Amino acid sequence: KQEVTQIPAALSVPEGENLVLNCSFTDSAIYNLQWFRQDPGKGLTSLLLIQSSQREQTSGRLNASLDKSSGRSTLYIAASQPGDSATYLCAVRTGTYKYIFGTGTRLKVLA
Amino acid sequence: GAGVSQSPRYKVAKRGQDVALRCDPISGHVSLFWYQQALGQGPEFLTYFQNEAQLDKSGLPSDRFFAERPEGSVSTLKIQRTQQEDSAVYLCASSTSSGNTIYFGEGSWLTVV
Repeated sequence: KQEVTQIPAALSVPEGENLVLNCSFTDSAIYNLQWFRQDPGKGLTSLLLIQSSQREQTSGRLNASLDKSSGRSTLYIAASQPGDSATYLCAVRTGTYKYIFGTGTRLKVLA
Repeated sequence: GAGVSQSPRYKVAKRGQDVALRCDPISGHVSLFWYQQALGQGPEFLTYFQNEAQLDKSGLPSDRFFAERPEGSVSTLKIQRTQQEDSAVYLCASSTSSGNTIYFGEGSWLTVV
């Protein structure tokens, strides 16, 4: 059974720091991996999607990497800003449609 | 519509009441998902539709939970005889048939008292 773990569960950093969020999964047979952002009281917004054949994806200050064989992904956020404060969730797609989510990392960026 | 729309946004139900949660997916999206998110947890899969066909309902926690999508667009998640453990956010998401990105609604927050 696929399990997704995110470390750390919570993180507080001063503005301007570069930071790394970690995601690990137990079954390497995945179709893709997505990183989502969730603001309090809101739904999920997709940030980056990495196909199983890809190693990384970049969007602005965000970079996500995927090492399928070791069951790991990282989300790198450069020059963090208070507006980055949110919960970040990773999810792996198993089979043709189902996503399995981690429990998330709650990020707080202090001004 | 422009995004996935869910209603009601907030619902307080007395234990034992039936509730119905509605999801209006992005126009033209074939795939529709329901997820349940407890406080401080990640979303957990409930069920999946492709058009009007419910292809997977393996995540529904009990036979009190029922979902339908009769015309292949709007979907309703119904919970009968609600219990306190049903309190959660119910998220709906949709995607195109070949799409990898799924688009989430803002959720229906259910509190059972």
